[in-house]
Amino acid sequence: DIQMTQSPSTLSASVGDRVTITCRASQSISSWLAWYQQKPGKAPKLLIYKASSLESGVPSRFSGSGSGTEFTLTISSLQPDDFATYYCQQYNTYWTFGQGTKVEIK
Amino acid sequence: EVQLLESGGDLVQPGGSLRLSCAASGFIFSSYAMIWVRQAPGKGLEWVSGISGSDGSTYYSDSVKGRFTISRDNSKNTLYLQMNSLRAEDTAVYYCAKDGSDGDRLDYWGQGTLVTVSS
Repeated sequence: DIQMTQSPSTLSASVGDRVTITCRASQSISSWLAWYQQKPGKAPKLLIYKASSLESGVPSRFSGSGSGTEFTLTISSLQPDDFATYYCQQYNTYWTFGQGTKVEIK
Repeated sequence: EVQLLESGGDLVQPGGSLRLSCAASGFIFSSYAMIWVRQAPGKGLEWVSGISGSDGSTYYSDSVKGRFTISRDNSKNTLYLQMNSLRAEDTAVYYCAKDGSDGDRLDYWGQGTLVTVSS
């Protein structure tokens, strides 16, 4: 099974900061990676798919990069609405999520 | 507008059974794979099961294989998850999600339904 590992698990940041979250796959998944945002009590929301494609309606401050086994999600300028938990997910073989990265207010 | 509405969550005793439903609307249901994802209280997301839109092929995580059965009724635009031999560790919010057109994303999610396994 493909394992997904995110880092860090928790990230403290301020409004306006540039934030980067890393996701590593235990084997190559090409570009079959998506990123989701989840707020407490809500369903996850798709942000990025195919590693770097921005889902329609998602602000352009979100971007994704990477291929193979290493991927990053970047928020160029953190906004108040962005404090949430972020998950990566691989699509190469079935579906596997990373353990999540909580972005909290510094 | 795409909508996914889960139902069927409840409190059930260990060893019991439950069937979850996910009513879909706003898209051609039979054309898309669907999956179930769960989230235990305070924990992360865990893929549970998936079913293709075309030939009905099914997939299960190791944690539920042999106990859960995913199915779909394309005439009713409804996805199901039959859960047997439930354990305390199956306690979670269960979400259904729609696969993207190229199988590369989960682009729509339901609001979730809570399953609690406890005596």
